[in-house]
Amino acid sequence: GENVEQHPSTLSVQEGDSAVIKCTYSDSASNYFPWYKQELGKRPQLIIDIRSNVGEKKDQRIAVTLNKTAKHFSLHITETQPEDSAVYFCAATGRGGADGLTFGKGTHLIIQP
Amino acid sequence: DARVTQTPRHKVTEMGQEVTMRCQPILGHNTVFWYRQTMMQGLELLAYFRNRAPLDDSGMPKDRFSAEMPDATLATLKIQPSEPRDSAVYFCASGLFGAGETQYFGPGTRLLVL
Repeated sequence: GENVEQHPSTLSVQEGDSAVIKCTYSDSASNYFPWYKQELGKRPQLIIDIRSNVGEKKDQRIAVTLNKTAKHFSLHITETQPEDSAVYFCAATGRGGADGLTFGKGTHLIIQP
Repeated sequence: DARVTQTPRHKVTEMGQEVTMRCQPILGHNTVFWYRQTMMQGLELLAYFRNRAPLDDSGMPKDRFSAEMPDATLATLKIQPSEPRDSAVYFCASGLFGAGETQYFGPGTRLLVL
């Protein structure tokens, strides 16, 4: 089955700086890679996703890059703000997302004022 | 703004008792997932259904867990008998596959088994 590794487990950055979270996956058949943000006591919410036929995707301050050869993908947040503080999860799945997600262990992002 | 709903939001029970959690997927979604979240294991897939048919329940302890979809608007996850190690947050998610792949999560059921 799929295995997703996520690093770092905790990331502290100054407000306004950039944050990068990295994930690797094991199953070369995986082709859908979403990122979820989870605030304390809340549900995971999708913030961005990418499919294997695309190398990069951007949405305002958030971007995701995918390297299929190396089987890794990364989340980039620029101009971080206090409301970006949360736990971020990467995930992977096959069949374009039609199957269940395999999640990384999460990254606790702390934005220092 | 359509959302996945789950009941109950919180449940405290004693070991050995039966627990039933319910999920109402977003109207029109054809796929329902059950995930469990713990500090130690993170988010794990338990089971999922498409068009009410079970597709995969390999993540579920078969001897005590069961998942069903009695109709398109209701999914249930049952634990019988419950054990302290089942304490976790159980999330339901739904999606419309064939027209997009996003999985939308419900608010979760926080279960504590004493």
